[in-house]
Amino acid sequence: DTEVTQTPKHLVMGMTNKKSLKCEQHMGHRAMYWYKQKAKKPPELMFVYSYEKLSINESVPSRFSPECPNSSLLNLHLHALQPEDSALYLCASSPGLLQETQYFGPGTRLLVL
Amino acid sequence: GESVGLHLPTLSVQEGDNSIINCAYSNSASDYFIWYKQESGKGPQFIIDIRSNMDKRQGQRVTVLLNKTVKHLSLQIAATQPGDSAVYFCAENRRNTGFQKLVFGTGTRLLVSP
Repeated sequence: DTEVTQTPKHLVMGMTNKKSLKCEQHMGHRAMYWYKQKAKKPPELMFVYSYEKLSINESVPSRFSPECPNSSLLNLHLHALQPEDSALYLCASSPGLLQETQYFGPGTRLLVL
Repeated sequence: GESVGLHLPTLSVQEGDNSIINCAYSNSASDYFIWYKQESGKGPQFIIDIRSNMDKRQGQRVTVLLNKTVKHLSLQIAATQPGDSAVYFCAENRRNTGFQKLVFGTGTRLLVSP
């Protein structure tokens, strides 16, 4: 089973709202990732968690706040977003961190009004 | 800066043809490469990978070729089907102080006509 699940599938929020994106995997993977993908562009890495600790933050604005409650779950808390943050947010996981295939979830389509 | 790029943004083929999608990379230290397929409204789906100690790897109807001399990667799809229509990304696995980072190419849209 190489399934990564994400909820919600779609999200519309105002610039003053607070919302959270959720990601879950049950493959025993120890690394989890958040990516942002704009239309007709490749995914861009935002955050990397390894063994539930934040390993990489690709200079993401603080209005995006990741959280890894346990080895199976990854959240992305959103607050005071801008319209330009509208995108597909993808979660991925891999067994480890080195030369490991990343498996992606279906993404959350976010629209910020 | 270093990048992973694709030669063609769109490739149109007839059903049953063989498709070849190309990718150039510039980081000679990268040692692992992945091809992903992304259908509209979905996340990237793993197709096939190859490590730098290999030149060729085959899967079901797909073959990946790696030419390290010219830093070139290609994905060959045999007997292309309408269901193969999607955007294909090559991704380069770069090590960064002990962690891996996937860097994606710009993507090639494959259109398969019946």
